[in-house]
Amino acid sequence: QSALTQPASVSGSPGQSITISCTGTSSDVGSHKLVSWYQQHPGKAPKLLIYEVSKRPSGVSNRFSGSKSGNTASLTLSGLQTEDEADYYCCSYAGTSAVFGGGTKLTVL
Amino acid sequence: EVQLVQSGAEVKKPGESLKISCKASGYNFTNYWIGWVRQMPGKGLEWMGIISPGDSDTRYSPSFQGQVTISADKTISAAYLQWSSLKASDIANYYCARRFLGSYHPGDFDYWGQGTLVTVSS
Repeated sequence: QSALTQPASVSGSPGQSITISCTGTSSDVGSHKLVSWYQQHPGKAPKLLIYEVSKRPSGVSNRFSGSKSGNTASLTLSGLQTEDEADYYCCSYAGTSAVFGGGTKLTVL
Repeated sequence: EVQLVQSGAEVKKPGESLKISCKASGYNFTNYWIGWVRQMPGKGLEWMGIISPGDSDTRYSPSFQGQVTISADKTISAAYLQWSSLKASDIANYYCARRFLGSYHPGDFDYWGQGTLVTVSS
């Protein structure tokens, strides 16, 4: 069971939009709609941003959106803000377990 | 208010055993699965396993099967992660987290503990 593939880093300027990809296989990301996304600030616990590919939990900004095509899921952040600078992880259902992506560090320039 | 409060940081020697805890409050403990996530220093999140406190049904990642044991005590609303023989490679921050109700995904966690740092050193 290998970690899902995410870019190590992405960057953007305040107000811009960025997209983080998460590539798996037909056995995990590609086989269902059970992909979630987390945000983690340094020294803090992760926070759930997106579940079931594109749903947002109550209280999460609508600047965060998710999608999926084939074996690749994506997280889009629009209207970048300085507080969005953090690590982002995808997580996919994988049979009776789950698997995280390697994480993407977002830098807001 | 939902809270998951984890036990404090541990410093152990290689070969020693360890059991860390995650105490839940503010909700019906038996209704929600509790998962464990590892984060090695400077590294990403790794899903370890999950337990249903109501019936102790437990699932493990293949990477962690046989390496750790996940358990729960519903009488005191606590979940546990334990090792029988620690290794230096077990050095990490370990989080417990609650899987939200209605989710089919074992990685959908809505509340997290603060993390327990485990250090293994001779």
